[in-house]
Amino acid sequence: DGGITQSPKYLFRKEGQNVTLSCEQNLNHDAMYWYRQDPGQGLRLIYYSQIVNDFQKGDIAEGYSVSREKKESFPLTVTSAQKNPTAFYLCASMGFGAVGNEQFFGPGTRLTVL
Amino acid sequence: AQKVTQAQTEISVVEKEDVTLDCVYETRDTTYYLFWYKQPPSGELVFLIRRNSFDEQNEISGRYSWNFQKSTSSFNFTITASQVVDSAVYFCALRKDSSYKLIFGSGTRLLVRP
Repeated sequence: DGGITQSPKYLFRKEGQNVTLSCEQNLNHDAMYWYRQDPGQGLRLIYYSQIVNDFQKGDIAEGYSVSREKKESFPLTVTSAQKNPTAFYLCASMGFGAVGNEQFFGPGTRLTVL
Repeated sequence: AQKVTQAQTEISVVEKEDVTLDCVYETRDTTYYLFWYKQPPSGELVFLIRRNSFDEQNEISGRYSWNFQKSTSSFNFTITASQVVDSAVYFCALRKDSSYKLIFGSGTRLLVRP
């Protein structure tokens, strides 16, 4: 089945630790995205990547880092510099050359800082 | 600047009632795309519909229908004969042509009571 997988589903982190969230897609999509969602709120864009080895900051990139070494993978690292990292993180992807197409979303990772 | 407004924060209806979710957008672009997503309690965003700015035809899909009116910059979503399984948060989103970024509204939480 084609789709987007995120792991883990739940993640607990101690303050001061970096943690990496995984996002993999087998849809052959060029563009990938990371969003953050706080309880009862909408989605905010953290980072996005239009092509391998290239990515751009979104609206709330501070305290986060990404890499795009492979087309299928777009991991997100939440660093200790992120002041309030407890949130729900969603990864998405979209096909290249079809800007009007929709983004497809993964199941999400719920991060809790203890 | 682009913006999407979903003024209804929460809506509660009784099963079998019809319900309309409002979406108002702002953009200066002539070519753009509008989307609706459903977020059930599991958290994953499910794509419902995409509409291009040059296609103002309304669309019906089963119990779902969408009313796109460029004159009022609105893209409203109606669920006919609502069911408990329709309970979710619904997001409206906008993307301008040649952009890879989605602009989301804040979402409307729909509760359908039995």
